Amino acid sequence: GQNIDQPTEMTATEGAIVQINCTYQTSGFNGLFWYQQHAGEAPTFLSYNVLDGLEEKGRFSSFLSRSKGYSYLLLKELQMKDSASYLCAVATGGGNKLTFGTGTQLKVEL
Amino acid sequence: DTEVTQTPKHLVMGMTNKKSLKCEQHMGHRAMYWYKQKAKKPPELMFVYSYEKLSINESVPSRFSPECPNSSLLNLHLHALQPEDSALYLCASSQWAANEKLFFGSGTQLSVL
Repeated sequence: GQNIDQPTEMTATEGAIVQINCTYQTSGFNGLFWYQQHAGEAPTFLSYNVLDGLEEKGRFSSFLSRSKGYSYLLLKELQMKDSASYLCAVATGGGNKLTFGTGTQLKVEL
Repeated sequence: DTEVTQTPKHLVMGMTNKKSLKCEQHMGHRAMYWYKQKAKKPPELMFVYSYEKLSINESVPSRFSPECPNSSLLNLHLHALQPEDSALYLCASSQWAANEKLFFGSGTQLSVL
């Protein structure tokens, strides 16, 4: 089976840095994704890691360690609009299946 | 056009009704997905279509019946649903497979009375 865990909630201050962790145990691995979902909206793609290491994209970075079954999403210079749910998702099944983790609700405060 | 369009946006139905959810994309994507999302929970995979053929059914009850009439369209036929089926139903597509960026529609908010 698939087991993808994230902290349920996090709170951070505007302008700060926050790291959202994701641990996974899956049958097979074809890549790890991070999606952002604002309340009442569809998830939108943030990042993709398939090899170990750090991928940087503007204010967002994502890290993967396949041997540890671990990833994190780093958000810098937090803005109020970053308040959203952040979903870690793992592709398996030869790349045919994307399973979402439990999701982390991030609240950015002044 | 990088949109996935879902209709209707909202649907209220009784347990004896038959209704359909529709999803359309014109990005030339060959993989399409149905997800179910309950409030404050992550999306749960229901079905995967690859090249218009059903490739994954996550043990979804038969009261949900997917259909892919062509490479741009994906339907979800609903019949004899239960109140616990009330949720947001999200459609998504990707170029070839799930280990690529998925584009999501804005969903259909379904209420079963």
